[in-house]
Parts: sequence; C-alpha cells; structure tokens
Amino acid sequence: DAGVIQSPRHEVTEMGQEVTLRCKPISGHNSLFWYRQTMMRGLELLIYFNNNVPIDDSGMPEDRFSAKMPNASFSTLKIQPSEPRDSAVYFCASSRQRDQPQHFGDGTRLSIL
Amino acid sequence: AQKITQTQPGMFVQEKEAVTLDCTYDTSDPSYGLFWYKQPSSGEMIFLIYQGSYDQQNATEGRYSLNFQKARKSANLVISASQLGDSAMYFCAMTSGSADKLIFGTGTRLQVFP
Repeated sequence: DAGVIQSPRHEVTEMGQEVTLRCKPISGHNSLFWYRQTMMRGLELLIYFNNNVPIDDSGMPEDRFSAKMPNASFSTLKIQPSEPRDSAVYFCASSRQRDQPQHFGDGTRLSIL
Repeated sequence: AQKITQTQPGMFVQEKEAVTLDCTYDTSDPSYGLFWYKQPSSGEMIFLIYQGSYDQQNATEGRYSLNFQKARKSANLVISASQLGDSAMYFCAMTSGSADKLIFGTGTRLQVFP
C-alpha cells in the first residue's frame, strides 16, 4: 500500500515568495494532519482535517498560513508571503480514525532565504 | 492541558542489549492514546507502537514493548536485542479526550554501538 505522499521533498525559495506544500493521504484515511518540526519548538500540529473539514487550526502561526483539503485524497498547505522563520520540516500525516496510528509522509524540508 | 515529558535527551546501548526509553504523560481525560515514533537521521517519522488508556495488557510489536503504568502515568518504550539500525530519535506522543491531534515529547536520541 502506498503511504502518505508529500511533495516537494525539498524547497528552497526567497523570502516573500509563495510556497505550496502538497499531501496525498493514505486511501481510506479520514483524518489528515499538518505538523511542523523545528529544533527550537520540536513537533507541533498546525491544522487537522476530518472528512475534509478543518477541525482545529489553532496551531496555524498566522494569517500567512492557509490549508485546504478539497477532496479526500489531496491537501495543500500554503505560506504567502514566506519568511525565513518559516524554515522547517513540514510533515503531513493521516489516520483511519481516532486512536489509530497516524502515518507520516517523508516531510518537506523548507528553506526560506 | 496535556503534556508529554521525555527526560532523557540521549541514551547509549550496546548492540544486542535491551534499552528503556522513558516517557511520562499528563492529562485529565480518562480516555487517551499513547504512541511511540522513530525518526532516523533520514528524517521520516515511523510509527512503532500504540497503547490505549483502557487496554489491560501492555502493547508489544516485535522487539518493541510499551511498559504502561497507568497510576504512575508512564509509558516507557522497551527495545529488546538492540540493533545498529535502532540508532535514531524516539518520540513519545499522545492523543487525549476527543482531540485527534498528537502531542509530542521532546524526544530521546538513542545511539547503539557495536
């Protein structure tokens, strides 16, 4: 079975540019999560969806960040405009239902210059 | 508020020995889930093992077992017969109550030496 697929794996861009991260969850999984990992803050949840509906976006740092899930097989996380402090590894994860393991994609390593 | 505490920033173990990675948690919800993930140097997050708060028996998955002590609010990971490939960061995490989101600890870096 295919796991969670994220693209791109690496992104380097200049501050002020728009960045779009993409995620395809595991087929049949109802919940999708976006996490960010930094040395300073560790792993933190940004937003999660259940059945394509955003449930908790309290972790989204500010209005520059937005996330969508137009259908059960695709989600995007967008940063506009990007800033150097957004540099991090961004993970997407999905799970079948609560109290089931979340399976992570390989992450997108984002560097904003 | 929910919290996960991992007090060991780093651990060393010799190949073929067993090692215990500590994890304590805090929640006021009676229903919660506890998870362990492995993050090798390549960066991916790999699910290892899950324990539900109402599970009567400790979870086991191959060489991994979870030592669940509810009264002490601890969920330590035991790795038996360590292998060089076990060298990685290990994260303890939990879900709590009706929330699906994972709360992570700060991680323990395990180094296995020959």
